[in-house]
Amino acid sequence: SQQGEEDPQALSIQEGENATMNCSYKTSINNLQWYRQNSGRGLVHLILIRSNEREKHSGRLRVTLDTSKKSSSLLITASRAADTASYFCATRLRGGGGNKLTFGTGTQLKVEL
Amino acid sequence: EADIYQTPRYLVIGTGKKITLECSQTMGHDKMYWYQQDPGMELHLIHYSYGVNSTEKGDLSSESTVSRIRTEHFPLTLESARPSHTSQYLCASSDPTGTANEKLLFGSGTQLSVL
Repeated sequence: SQQGEEDPQALSIQEGENATMNCSYKTSINNLQWYRQNSGRGLVHLILIRSNEREKHSGRLRVTLDTSKKSSSLLITASRAADTASYFCATRLRGGGGNKLTFGTGTQLKVEL
Repeated sequence: EADIYQTPRYLVIGTGKKITLECSQTMGHDKMYWYQQDPGMELHLIHYSYGVNSTEKGDLSSESTVSRIRTEHFPLTLESARPSHTSQYLCASSDPTGTANEKLLFGSGTQLSVL
């Protein structure tokens, strides 16, 4: 089974609304990262949160991490049509997991005008 | 976008052909990765390299092979393409900000269709 699973699988909102996506994982992590992927393109790194951090901000993005629940959320405030994309969380495992990132299943966000 | 390039962007090819997907980066990164992604699905790591002459298989078994003769170049080869190889292939390298906090920089991907 996957290390990271996200919900919802798909989300459709109106421009100006906030979008929240959640990621759950199974084993202890060193850090958790969020990436965005526009249709048919590569992924772009958005933000990284370390295991000893609880919240992090970057522009209109807010990420939270709850290691006791093994979950993270990504909040996009005041969404724009250009935010339409798929969003993936990725975890870097602590200890024996090496330096590889494991990606979640992704949330497809559609922001309508 | 990052300075990591993949060619071709799209490839439609017949069964049995040998193909090579190119990936190059100009940043001098030691660590490079190949991921496979089906439409609307998660990414699966199929190969990675931590430097010249270093290659390892990833979490998902793949019939493809890779080589790393030069730091900037990490090509992926399929000796005999099959329809089951149809997928998007994404190449990435690590931003060397520190071992634990590295983030990946991705190319635009190659969409492969095998008929």
